[in-house]
Amino acid sequence: GAVVSQHPSRVICKSGTSVKIECRSLDFQATTMFWYRQFPKQSLMLMATSNEGSKATYEQGVEKDKFLINHASLTLSTLTVTSAHPEDSSFYICSARRYGNTIYFGEGSWLTVV
Amino acid sequence: GESVGLHLPTLSVQEGDNSIINCAYSNSASDYFIWYKQESGKGPQFIIDIRSNMDKRQGQRVTVLLNKTVKHLSLQIAATQPGDSAVYFCAETASGNTGKLIFGQGTTLQVKP
Repeated sequence: GAVVSQHPSRVICKSGTSVKIECRSLDFQATTMFWYRQFPKQSLMLMATSNEGSKATYEQGVEKDKFLINHASLTLSTLTVTSAHPEDSSFYICSARRYGNTIYFGEGSWLTVV
Repeated sequence: GESVGLHLPTLSVQEGDNSIINCAYSNSASDYFIWYKQESGKGPQFIIDIRSNMDKRQGQRVTVLLNKTVKHLSLQIAATQPGDSAVYFCAETASGNTGKLIFGQGTTLQVKP
């Protein structure tokens, strides 16, 4: 069964609004979670590293004010897309790092901005 | 810079045949490699991993081979089944053991019945 859960799996929002995506590790504590973005027929692009209790580390070119990441507990990280625009429509995937280097991915969240 | 690439974008095999998916990486300092399977509209699914102190690791119907000399990684799937049809990504850990993964382009595996 899934060890990392994402919610919602699909969301449609209006342009200019904000939308939050949750990532939960179900049976382990994850001090580190990662957020990826994936366009159709392309690979996963790392957006940021979410660290429990501290600020997220963003990859170059990713707007931290647009993609707000909060890792308030050892089992939950959230990604908020603020003032969403149609170009933000994408597949967003999180992963959580278990003990050692084992990393598990969520099922992804489809965001459509209309 | 660091990069992981795949040799073939699409691989088509007959059901029952063995599949080999290849991957080249450029960072000789990477010490952990993972193969993921991604079905359409879903998140990546862990298949198998290997650490740099190993050359080969076997799972159920899958084998990963690591050749550090030429920085090459491969995934072998035995007796390929229609359910194996998906995109396969190799990934390596970025240097510094941060847990960040660098993904290759992906290879689409098509299994013909």
